[in-house]
Amino acid sequence: GAGVSQTPSNKVTEKGKYVELRCDPISGHTALYWYRQSLGQGPEFLIYFQGTGAADDSGLPNDRFFAVRPEGSVSTLKIQRTERGDSAVYLCASSSTGLGTQYFGPGTRLLVL
Amino acid sequence: KNEVEQSPQNLTAQEGEFITINCSYSVGISALHWLQQHPGGGIVSLFMLSSGKKKHGRLIATINIQEKHSSLHITASHPRDSAVYICAVDNTDKLIFGTGTRLQVFP
Repeated sequence: GAGVSQTPSNKVTEKGKYVELRCDPISGHTALYWYRQSLGQGPEFLIYFQGTGAADDSGLPNDRFFAVRPEGSVSTLKIQRTERGDSAVYLCASSSTGLGTQYFGPGTRLLVL
Repeated sequence: KNEVEQSPQNLTAQEGEFITINCSYSVGISALHWLQQHPGGGIVSLFMLSSGKKKHGRLIATINIQEKHSSLHITASHPRDSAVYICAVDNTDKLIFGTGTRLQVFP
């Protein structure tokens, strides 16, 4: 595909459930980022991958959040025991190296009831 | 105090007006980004700059590294420019975002 894609576009779940959010970066981009955007706020950094490894996971709010990128392309953000406060838009972005322009996906809107 | 501050938070303008959005930051950066976010969430990168000035069509971005300040200007504004404009700084390996400026341009 031409751009970054994210699935699902919307996810409604119940408090306590487990969710997985997927990001397909632009082909060949080695850097991949996850951000979270709450209503009326700017995005907040969660985690950055360079290749298969998490280069910086300092933005993950707690150990309920985990992300993987096993083959250096697609990434999955996993949230265990979801809480209502996890409701937000989860944005993924990729960059060809990690120092340049980031290209954003359309986001996954997560609602925890 | 947020590490990246934008002003104003909200801005309304008449079509054709010259618009300025400001961004100040308090951390060391390698680059500054201006992003545009339309309703529905899609974010588009407008500029990445580390010094001086860049121009693309009716958009101009400037940065003063010494003063830790950047401005985004829109000349001859149009209703299709209505969006949230977000300033973000490259701090080590991640972006730190401002809260955005919501711009509405009326015909």
